[in-house]
Amino acid sequence: NAGVTQTPKFRILKIGQSMTLQCTQDMNHNYMYWYRQDPGMGLKLIYYSVGAGITDKGEVPNGYNVSRSTTEDFPLRLELAAPSQTSVYFCASSVYSGANVLTFGAGSRLTVL
Amino acid sequence: AQTVTQSQPEMSVQEAETVTLSCTYDTSESDYYLFWYKQPPSRQMILVIRQEAYKQQNATENRFSVNFQKAAKSFSLKISDSQLGDAAMYFCAYSEDNFGNEKLTFGTGTRLTIIP
Repeated sequence: NAGVTQTPKFRILKIGQSMTLQCTQDMNHNYMYWYRQDPGMGLKLIYYSVGAGITDKGEVPNGYNVSRSTTEDFPLRLELAAPSQTSVYFCASSVYSGANVLTFGAGSRLTVL
Repeated sequence: AQTVTQSQPEMSVQEAETVTLSCTYDTSESDYYLFWYKQPPSRQMILVIRQEAYKQQNATENRFSVNFQKAAKSFSLKISDSQLGDAAMYFCAYSEDNFGNEKLTFGTGTRLTIIP
């Protein structure tokens, strides 16, 4: 049971490039989330999904897009990368239980130069 | 909007001693959840302890316990018998008690150093 798997673990992008951060969970969780963590800060919610085909914006959605075509996968797309998107990105998932316990992936460190 | 405040950017404690990390939050809801997450140098976010606001009893998990003061909107974490493996960033987090809304709001974290 792998839990939440994120790829890649590290990536360096040039300004204006695009990329997709992959996130897969094998726990059949309904809810999935993308957070970003800037240096010395807590995590901020980018986007979330309550099930396949349903996504919604979080606190800091600008510059990102998501899709949820299956229960397992929740990729995060960065279009026209900017230095302000340099951060560590965490994917997380939770089951529809009301317990509000999230399982996190190991994070993806992205640097935009 | 809910906010979570951790006023101690850094704390240190001697090994085997007890340390308390502070957290305050702001919400107009009466039912909600509070969490402490640990983030070691590996970056992995690990759930330490969880408290349901409707429960008056403070949550406890082995050496970790909380002091939940609902009226004061305070949620501190006490680590007893501190161990070297407790060194990490600790984040306080809040979530509404609402099916379909399990999003977490995080504080800025407290870096805990354990002195051998």
